[in-house]
Amino acid sequence: NAGVTQTPKFRILKIGQSMTLQCAQDMNHNYMYWYRQDPGMGLKLIYYSVGAGITDKGEVPNGYNVSRSTTEDFPLRLELAAPSQTSVYFCASSYSRHSGNTIYFGEGSWLTVV
Amino acid sequence: DQQVKQNSPSLSVQEGRISILNCDYTNSMFDYFLWYKKYPAEGPTFLISISSIKDKNEDGRFTVFLNKSAKHLSLHIVPSQPGDSAVYFCAASDNDYKLSFGAGTTVTVRA
Repeated sequence: NAGVTQTPKFRILKIGQSMTLQCAQDMNHNYMYWYRQDPGMGLKLIYYSVGAGITDKGEVPNGYNVSRSTTEDFPLRLELAAPSQTSVYFCASSYSRHSGNTIYFGEGSWLTVV
Repeated sequence: DQQVKQNSPSLSVQEGRISILNCDYTNSMFDYFLWYKKYPAEGPTFLISISSIKDKNEDGRFTVFLNKSAKHLSLHIVPSQPGDSAVYFCAASDNDYKLSFGAGTTVTVRA
């Protein structure tokens, strides 16, 4: 089982550039999430989705956009990249709500904005 | 505002001894608490959880204790093994599917 797959694993962006972090899950999960982790900090929720066509903001959504056209995919779009977006990004998915023990994380995407 | 706090960024323990990781929270609406383990260059993986209606949950070498009145939980690892060296995150949810994470504690198990 592939689980949650994120691409790319590493990326360097210049200030003002745009890019999309891809996330796909093959577990038929309804819920998908994007978190970022800054050094010395916990994971912070950027956006989440409870099903295809439905997305909502998390704690730190500014500078990002998401879409959920299929159950499997949940891409995260960075528009006009800024140094403050240098971080490690984790995509995750779960089958149902209030199931923190069954939230599966991808391996992470390391993004540096210079 | 950090609702889940892990005030010890690191912990070093000798193999075979007990590791105790602490976590404090401020949101009284949290009703489900979890610990995640993370190795370098990997995503977090679920370790153990506890509902707010309990004060203890045990799974093999791992036990989580919850003190609701103090808004405090702890993770005990007994005995500690070299493979336990990782970053441990405390997380909490308030009857929702979103988790609030602490900053993590890096555990190093010495041989």
